[in-house]
Amino acid sequence: QVQLVQSGAEVKRPGASVKVSCKASGYTFTTSDINWVRQAPGQGLEWMGWMNPNSGNTFYVQKFQGRVTMTRDTSKNTAYLEVSSLRSDDTAVYYCTRAPSRSFDIWGQGTTVTVSS
Amino acid sequence: SYALTQPSSVSVSPGQTATITCSGEKLGERYACWYQQKPGQSPVVVIYQDNKRPSGIPDRFSGSNSGNTATLTISGTQTMDEADYYCQAWDSSTRVFGGGTKLTVL
Repeated sequence: QVQLVQSGAEVKRPGASVKVSCKASGYTFTTSDINWVRQAPGQGLEWMGWMNPNSGNTFYVQKFQGRVTMTRDTSKNTAYLEVSSLRSDDTAVYYCTRAPSRSFDIWGQGTTVTVSS
Repeated sequence: SYALTQPSSVSVSPGQTATITCSGEKLGERYACWYQQKPGQSPVVVIYQDNKRPSGIPDRFSGSNSGNTATLTISGTQTMDEADYYCQAWDSSTRVFGGGTKLTVL
């Protein structure tokens, strides 16, 4: 079946970087954009941007520009989200999600990133 | 930047109709989606492209989008529908979410 499986939880110090992976299966990885969404504890969903797995083209929400990098490895059907210069308010669950037809139809299980000194 | 506004909470009795609104400037000129999220789970799309239901979503879920408002309607609401609901505006560059509505069925 179509699924996105994300890497495990991370605990990082302020100022560090984190890289979350999202492995796709059950469909052709290069045919649908991968978007990243985060959710801080008790808060709503926040869209971070998208990546085209075929071209590698990206779009980052202005708030995250300069601190976020979305990449992929097509040989592994895997997308990556790297967030640098982590702050305490980056503590959140990070989701990857597929966008084939103007909606996010498949979501990963989420990766909890905790930033704490 | 583009913003979407939802009521923070909506309450409904079982079997009744729940209506959740989402407001944004000229929202009707963009596509609207709705996601359901239960505690500890990933979101699930229940309506996409304004009024389309993905396979597996019950037909008691319906959507509309016109002017500045998109609406999610749940007819014959069941206790299993209790969840957070998020609207999303979709155009060539924007995928912004509303703040979310907690639907309570009691």
